[in-house]
Amino acid sequence: IVLTQSPATLSLSPGDRATLSCRASDSVGSYLAWYQQRPGQAPRLLVYDASNRATGIPARFSGSGSGTDFTLSISSLEPEDSAVYYCQQRRNWNTFGGGTKVEIK
Amino acid sequence: QVQLVESGGGVVQPGRSLRLSCAASGFTFSSYAMHWVRQAPGKRPEWVAVISYDGNNEYYADSVRGRFTISKDNSKNTLYLQMNSLRREDTAIYYCAREVSSWPDYWGQGTLVSVSS
Repeated sequence: IVLTQSPATLSLSPGDRATLSCRASDSVGSYLAWYQQRPGQAPRLLVYDASNRATGIPARFSGSGSGTDFTLSISSLEPEDSAVYYCQQRRNWNTFGGGTKVEIK
Repeated sequence: QVQLVESGGGVVQPGRSLRLSCAASGFTFSSYAMHWVRQAPGKRPEWVAVISYDGNNEYYADSVRGRFTISKDNSKNTLYLQMNSLRREDTAIYYCAREVSSWPDYWGQGTLVSVSS
């Protein structure tokens, strides 16, 4: 299953709302997760099973979707949200999307 | 707190072997399945392998099956990845990760493997 993320880059200001998309080539049900990766760091799990926030993740991060179309929303961007965000599916083995880079102006 | 520390990376020639280790602390290692995930420079992560909490079940990505072996020693709180017949395309940062709710939820900082002649 191929995961396609869009846009490739998102440039927004602090306080803006960010909307990231992940589209699967075949249905993955709700078996989708989102990760944040800051420069030089390991990925951090944000959302699993499409809409469940991982432990310790701020409420401004939320996930939605099912089947082939998924969204990660960040309700009010903060400077530390500058990172690359990846989606991952585990419906058919494990694959990752190509990532969306979020830049904070 | 949860801590995962990978080691064993380095520069290795194509066709040679390398064993990675991941030392776990801050949680009951024997109760968790564990993953290896790798990431080539500037690329997306690639899942490599997973092992069940008791070490009895293993699954591998097609790209490494038959060459890599994942194992865990619950008495030593350590996860391993034995990598044989290494190829240039295996060059990456290798992360170990704990599984929670069927997902890799906490990742170590990684160890770099560079396959080059």
